[in-house]
Amino acid sequence: DVKVTQSSRYLVKRTGEKVFLECVQDMDHENMFWYRQDPGLGLRLIYFSYDVKMKEKGDIPEGYSVSREKKERFSLILESASTNQTSMYLCASSRTGGLNTEAFFGQGTRLTVV
Amino acid sequence: SQKIEQNSEALNIQEGKTATLTCNYTNYSPAYLQWYRQDPGRGPVFLLLIRENEKEKRKERLKVTFDTTLKQSLFHITASQPADSATYLCALRNSGYSTLTFGKGTMLLVSP
Repeated sequence: DVKVTQSSRYLVKRTGEKVFLECVQDMDHENMFWYRQDPGLGLRLIYFSYDVKMKEKGDIPEGYSVSREKKERFSLILESASTNQTSMYLCASSRTGGLNTEAFFGQGTRLTVV
Repeated sequence: SQKIEQNSEALNIQEGKTATLTCNYTNYSPAYLQWYRQDPGRGPVFLLLIRENEKEKRKERLKVTFDTTLKQSLFHITASQPADSATYLCALRNSGYSTLTFGKGTMLLVSP
């Protein structure tokens, strides 16, 4: 069974802390994505990566950075957590091109910044 | 600006009826359109993909249509069941890009 695994389901952090969200996929996918999901705003793309050590900004990259040192792992970093970063964070992966380009999502990390 | 619009109001239907959800988009030239299901507190799960040159796609009780002239996709669930209750998201990928852009989703509630 293919899987995208996020390191935590629930996380509570303090304002100003540096926060790491980890995501691992076992499907050898080239592309990996980080979204956040908020009520009324839907899924918004933060960053994505189409190869190891490559990264591209999504629609809302401010306050975030990412790291992809290995193909299977994509980390989201909140440099200095703020209360407006309280959200559900979803990691996804997909193949590049071909017929099977659907995104596979992790179970999500609900982050609360207090 | 680019927009993907799904009905924000929940759709309430009786068990056994056909549910129809709508996805409209503007200023996209999608290579394909995808539909996902999302249960509360979980990540979205892929259901169906339809390409720009396809009019209709079926999978068991699910049917998707894609009209690139109207810039619209319809998602149908026939013989709906309470277990179909969830939020359904449409997503577009523009030609030449790897990223998916999602609509905000429509919640479907199927009553016994």
